[in-house]
Amino acid sequence: QSALTQPPSVSAAAGQKVTISCSGSSSNIGSNYVSWYQQLPGTAPKLLIYDNNKRPSGKPDRFSGSKSGTSATLGITGLQTGDEADYYCGTWDSSLSAVVFGGGTKLTVL
Amino acid sequence: EVQLVESGGGLVQPGGSLRVSCAASGFTFSSYWMHWVRQVPGKGLVWVSRINSDGSTTTYADSVKGRFTISRDNAGNTLSLQMNSLRAEDTAVYFCARGLDMGYYFYGMDVWGQGTTVTVS
Repeated sequence: QSALTQPPSVSAAAGQKVTISCSGSSSNIGSNYVSWYQQLPGTAPKLLIYDNNKRPSGKPDRFSGSKSGTSATLGITGLQTGDEADYYCGTWDSSLSAVVFGGGTKLTVL
Repeated sequence: EVQLVESGGGLVQPGGSLRVSCAASGFTFSSYWMHWVRQVPGKGLVWVSRINSDGSTTTYADSVKGRFTISRDNAGNTLSLQMNSLRAEDTAVYFCARGLDMGYYFYGMDVWGQGTTVTVS
């Protein structure tokens, strides 16, 4: 059981927008910074968002991150078939003194 | 090109030991915190350990504390994970990742290796 809760799957049509939620607690999301990762099938994870809402250089602005209280959200606009992947949120947990990840969300582009 | 390349994975018996390594290139290795993250195929990411830039501070997940040791060689640009008393549940792909940690704060992991597979059976 993950410290962070994500929906197992989400889906949306190509060209549309989707959001993926990540719910935590005061000891993790509520007091630390959230990052998001994309893992395409058979590959290593890649950083999409760090420091709650910052994009690494080269990442398209179709990807966005936000945080409110003990929850965070990843938004993806202009969905493409190449966005089909597993998405993970992560943060530090001050009570556990450990990095924690969500269980992952599988995105399907219809 | 910024790159991390893991090696050393393999098949080991329960109770055995294995050392996996991660060779870094294309960036100033000694300036970054580093992490190990593992993943059972088909399952989610699980954080294992991290080490600060000069190797003086290490942190472990409870599941590996006392059995695994993270270390680094900044002169050789190499990160290592020594795994002892291995269990079947340690079977996973092990990724090394560059951290965006600054002191107490963790901002994310921005560069990942391709992973090395450890099978305990």
